[in-house]
Amino acid sequence: QVQLVESGGGVVQPGRSLRLSCAASGFTFSTYYMHWLRQAPGKGLEWVAHISHDGNKKYYEDSVRGRFTISRDNSKNTVYLQTNSLIPEDTAVYYCARDTHDFWTGYSFDNWGQGTLVTVSS
Amino acid sequence: QSALTQPASVSGSPGQSITISCTGTSSDVGGYDYVSWYQQLPGKAPKLMIYEVRNRPSGVSNRFSGSKSGNTASLTISGLQAEDEANYYCSSYTSSTALHVIFGAGTKLTVL
Repeated sequence: QVQLVESGGGVVQPGRSLRLSCAASGFTFSTYYMHWLRQAPGKGLEWVAHISHDGNKKYYEDSVRGRFTISRDNSKNTVYLQTNSLIPEDTAVYYCARDTHDFWTGYSFDNWGQGTLVTVSS
Repeated sequence: QSALTQPASVSGSPGQSITISCTGTSSDVGGYDYVSWYQQLPGKAPKLMIYEVRNRPSGVSNRFSGSKSGNTASLTISGLQAEDEANYYCSSYTSSTALHVIFGAGTKLTVL
């Protein structure tokens, strides 16, 4: 079965960095777009970024563009989110999610990881 | 970019049907058939219930259905069950340059 396992979260001071990872299994990883989403404590869902199946297309939400970088290693079945210049507003549970379709994105997410908590605080 | 508009809460008794609305604009809900619905139980990751307005992933009960009219999408749950009590979020592709996917703030469904 499809499994997504995030790691790399933690408590970090403002201005610092964290690299989040999402290890995938149970499907042909190299054929799916992958997404990162987040949810601040007690708040709703927010899409953060996505990457095409081959890594050639990357898109970001405005508030993270220039600070966050999404990447993937299809040989390791892993997608990453490098988060730099973190601010308190980035505090959230970060989820990786698989796109519903292979080879293209329908902007829906049919499998989610359990999430990893990032807390930005001095 | 404003979030999609959902009611904060809805409620219904077991066996009844409820509908949750999700209102956007012609730049998102009204312009594209990329509307999805997610169910989130407390402390859990979201679960996809409906994608592309009305499609159900395998394994999702046929008590869940989706539709769209103009700038408003709807999720209908028929034959309400206690296990349906959760937060429900709608999302849509948006042509806004600021982001590609926009969410509603969520609707808390209470089964009385």
